[in-house]
Amino acid sequence: DIQMTQSPSSLSASVGDRVTITCRASQGISSYLNWYQRKPGKAPKLLIYAASSLQSGVPSRFSGSGSGTDFTLTISSLQPEDSAIYSCQQSDRAPLTFGGGTKVEIK
Amino acid sequence: QLQLEESGPGLVKPSETLSLTCTVSGDSISNTNNYWEWIRQPPGKGLEWIGTVYYSGGTDYTPSLRSRATISVDTSKNQFSLKLSSVTAADTAVYYCARRRPTTETRHGCFDPWGQGTLVTVSS
Repeated sequence: DIQMTQSPSSLSASVGDRVTITCRASQGISSYLNWYQRKPGKAPKLLIYAASSLQSGVPSRFSGSGSGTDFTLTISSLQPEDSAIYSCQQSDRAPLTFGGGTKVEIK
Repeated sequence: QLQLEESGPGLVKPSETLSLTCTVSGDSISNTNNYWEWIRQPPGKGLEWIGTVYYSGGTDYTPSLRSRATISVDTSKNQFSLKLSSVTAADTAVYYCARRRPTTETRHGCFDPWGQGTLVTVSS
C-alpha cells in the first residue's frame, strides 16, 4: 500500500496568515493527489484534485502543488471558517489511502 | 445536486455484524461513470478507505477488511450498503459513504460528494 504522511499534524495560525500543509507519498504517485477539508458534523469536502486543480466552488485562497512524492496545500490568507482538518489522498493505485490529517486552528 | 446519506444502528455489540445503508439522491446509482464508496475514521485516527461497489455489483475492498466486509448495491432503491462482520472495538468509527468518479486527471478518482457520516460504536 502507498503510505501518505502529512505534516504538521496540527498548527495554529492567525487570520490572514499564509498556511502550508505538506503531504508525502511513500512512492511516486505522479499528480494523483487530492485534498479534503473536514469539519465536525459536516460532510468532508473536496478542495483540490489532481494535485493542483481547484474544485468548483472552493475559494481561490486554497491552492495545491507538487508531483511525484511531495505535495503541498496552501491557504494564502487564513480565514476563521478555515478551521478544520485537512487530509490528502492518493488516487494512483488501490487501495486508495489517506494521510493522517492536519488540524488547523485559528489563534 | 448529488447527495448521499448514511443510515443504520449507532451501537453494535462485539462479534456482531455492522450494517449501514447509503441512500443516493440527485442521480441514478446506475450512472456508469460512478463508483460508490465506504470510508471510515476511527476516533483520533485518519481516514481509511473500506471498499467500493459498481452499479453492476462488482466490488473491491481494502486488504485488511476483505475477509469481513461486504458491499452491495440495490439499484431499485438507489442505495448501497456495507456489512462488516465480527466487529470489535477497533471498528468503532464514523462511517462515510461517497461517490468516486475516475478520470484521466485523477486516475482512480477522488471522493465527491460525501455523506455527513454516521458514528458507529462497538460496545456491549
